[in-house]
Amino acid sequence: QSALTQPASVSGSPGQSITVSCTGTSSDVGAYNYVSWYQQHPGKAPKLMIYDVSNRRSGVSNRFSGSKSGNTASLTISGLQAEDEADYYCSSYTSSDTWVFGGGTRLTVL
Amino acid sequence: QVQLVESGGGVVQSGRSLRLSCVGSGFTFSGYAMRWVRQPPGKGLEWVTNLSYDGSKKYYADSVKGRFTISRDNSKNTMYLQMDSLRPEDTAVYFCAREGAPDSSSWFAFEYWGQGTLVTVSS
Repeated sequence: QSALTQPASVSGSPGQSITVSCTGTSSDVGAYNYVSWYQQHPGKAPKLMIYDVSNRRSGVSNRFSGSKSGNTASLTISGLQAEDEADYYCSSYTSSDTWVFGGGTRLTVL
Repeated sequence: QVQLVESGGGVVQSGRSLRLSCVGSGFTFSGYAMRWVRQPPGKGLEWVTNLSYDGSKKYYADSVKGRFTISRDNSKNTMYLQMDSLRPEDTAVYFCAREGAPDSSSWFAFEYWGQGTLVTVSS
């Protein structure tokens, strides 16, 4: 049950786009289309943003999008805004009927 | 609206036990799988355990298997996490979360989260 691999940090200027990668294995990310993404602001609970690789939860801005290729999933945020500054986590269901999270990526809006 | 409220956290000595509770409201509690996720101070999220809607299927992370037990009482809209043989590395904020619903997200997503309860294990 090793954590999925995410970059520790990414940054971008307002209006720009950024992509956060999430790399797993053929037993988790590569096995199912059950990758989800969560946004967490300091001191707050995580919030579901994207589920099943590319589906936006109702109410989430269409600036957020998800995709997957092989064992790597990605979250893209376009038109960066100050309020997007937060920690982002990916998660995947696994072949062991368990879940695994990524180590988290801190997004800084410059 | 859906609400999840955790309680039971606190400071405990290594080797002792603690029981967390999570009360759900605003939805049919007995119809959803429930989960615990933890987050050590300043670190990332870790899935801990999952319990099916009827309590019949339980899954645990290797890090807590044999020490933690998840259960639920659907008549009280409450889920529990019994934590035994606690270790300093179990220190974390513990969140309860509800699985998603097919008409709003996915059974495999963590759709709703509580605000968390802090467990501190001292050595």
